[in-house]
Formats: sequence, structure tokens, C-alpha cells
Amino acid sequence: LAKTTQPISMDSYEGQEVNITCSHNNIATNDYITWYQQFPSQGPRFIIQGYKTKVTNEVASLFIPADRKSSTLSLPRVSLSDTAVYYCLVGDNAGGTSYGKLTFGQGTILTVHP
Amino acid sequence: DTAVSQTPKYLVTQMGNDKSIKCEQNLGHDTMYWYKQDSKKFLKIMFSYNNKELIINETVPNRFSPKSPDKAHLNLHINSLELGDSAVYFCASSQVGAGGRSTGELFFGEGSRLTVL
Repeated sequence: LAKTTQPISMDSYEGQEVNITCSHNNIATNDYITWYQQFPSQGPRFIIQGYKTKVTNEVASLFIPADRKSSTLSLPRVSLSDTAVYYCLVGDNAGGTSYGKLTFGQGTILTVHP
Repeated sequence: DTAVSQTPKYLVTQMGNDKSIKCEQNLGHDTMYWYKQDSKKFLKIMFSYNNKELIINETVPNRFSPKSPDKAHLNLHINSLELGDSAVYFCASSQVGAGGRSTGELFFGEGSRLTVL
């Protein structure tokens, strides 16, 4: 399973764009990149998933360079409610079993200040 | 309605006791999981069931026994509790789509915080 490395913490201010980068140098051909958000006392929540290039949804964008050895989660115009832990996961979606074997890692603690 | 619900939310017990955590999902998913989150916030897979059958068992002590009476329920029973079992336990579910590929999205419950004294 590909290992991921993220910054332990980041600070930002309301209204700013936040970019969190994740390194996954040994990503495999079949691996997808998925980001989750976790608030205190809650379970992680799916944010976005991608394989290559750029993916955008209503809450975030995911940028993946051609070599796929890293990815960047971009949160536009953050608010105080975006303060949470953000996890980057890399794994193969085939069959659901290998995906479920993923360990989330330490994640990035994002703190948004007024 | 809560998609994945766990009970109890908090559980405080003494070493050596036996306890259970229940999980139910109303999403119609085929696959359910138990994860353990330790004090350092690492989330580790413990078990995974697909249509009531065990498909992942990740080096978990046999004091932990999952039980899936049907595909909407996955309960976790823990015997002879130890101090190191203190953690937050998360239940999750996902759906396997066409061709056996997961949609890639895990739906988590709110967690059950277990404290062993």
C-alpha cells in the first residue's frame, strides 16, 4: 500500500484559499487518491477523489500532476467551520476490500483563524 | 436519518470486562468496516465484512470478535478488555459498484469512545 506524507498542521485565515499537499511517491497504477475531512468527535467524511489531472466538486479541488507522486487538496475561501483534520489516502478501489484496508495516517490539522 | 449509527457513543468500563458496540447502516451498502482510532489519531482498519462474510481481519487480537447478523449490521464484541483497548472505534460502510470496484467513498459513523480503567 502506498505511504502518504502530509504536513502535520497548517494555519489559515477566513476567506483565504488553502492548499494541502500530500506526497505518495510509490503510488501504484491502479491507485486512486482520496481526501477525507474529520471534525472533532465525528467520523471522517469523504471530500474528493481523483486519479489524475484535476477534479473539482462543490467543496474542493484536487490537483494531481502527471507523475501522480503527489496531490494537492485546494479549499477555496475557507471559513472557521473548515477547521478539521484532513487525510490523504491512496489505494486501489477494486472490489472494495483493498480500499478498506487503508490506514488513514496522521492527517493535517487545519486551523482557520478569524 | 443517520446513515451509519453506532451505539453507545461513550463507554467506560473496567479492565477484564466484556463489552459490545453496535453498528447499523441504512444506506443499503454491501460492505461494512470497523476502524480503531488511537490517541495519535491514526485510523486503522480492524475488520471488514461484505454481505455478512468476513473479508478483512487485520491482525486484531482474538478478544475482538465482529458479528454481522445481516448486511446492515456489524457489531463488535470485545472480551477481557485491556487498558490499550481505549480508543475511538468507528464503523463505516461502502458500496461495491459494477465490476466489483468500490465507489471509493467510506461512510463513517460518529464513533464510540471506549475508556478502559
